[in-house]
Amino acid sequence: ELQLVQAGAEVRKPGESLKISCKSDGYSFTTYWIVWVRQMPGKGLEWMGIINPSDSNTKYSPPFQGQVTISVDKSITTAYLQWSSLKASDTAIYYCARRLLTGDRGGWFDPWGQGTLVIVSS
Amino acid sequence: QSALTQPASVSGSLGQSITISCTGSSGDIGRYNYVSWYQQQAGKAPAVMIFDVAYRPSGVSNRFSGSKSGNTASLTISGLQAEDEADYYCSAYTGSGALWVFGGGTRLTVL
Repeated sequence: ELQLVQAGAEVRKPGESLKISCKSDGYSFTTYWIVWVRQMPGKGLEWMGIINPSDSNTKYSPPFQGQVTISVDKSITTAYLQWSSLKASDTAIYYCARRLLTGDRGGWFDPWGQGTLVIVSS
Repeated sequence: QSALTQPASVSGSLGQSITISCTGSSGDIGRYNYVSWYQQQAGKAPAVMIFDVAYRPSGVSNRFSGSKSGNTASLTISGLQAEDEADYYCSAYTGSGALWVFGGGTRLTVL
């Protein structure tokens, strides 16, 4: 079955590090870029960045550049989003999604993982 | 890039049609035909309903349709059903910086 599988929830204290995962199944992992999207509590969607699993080429949205790191492990068809020092304002649901496209740019996101709720609280 | 502008809420009665607008700029919606729409039901992950302005993925009801004029895209849902009640987000490709931007979301209430 084509799916992206994410862990349910993570709780950390401010200043701690965290790496959340997005396991891909049911398709060729290196063929499609993976995106990460943030949804803060009660708020809308924010595009964070995108990675090409084939060569790890990564592009970040400016607000997230330097704040998070996106990576992949091709051997286990898994993408990651990590923080070195969490802040309370990082509390949110983080979704991964596969990017599809019909041409050589643009595209849309399908499917989405079920999301990982990250809670940062002292 | 700024987020796209959507109405915060819309409502419609069962069987009626509604349209949700999504206003961007000449750098995103106005420049590319890469607008997509996502439905997010309560407590669930988003799911694509429309891509490339007006195309429906297989499995999405033909009651959903998309269009674009200038810097504004629109999602129309006809024959409203109770199951359509959800938040809807538009997204557009920008080509630079934040490569994609989302709208703030529109909550659809089916009366």
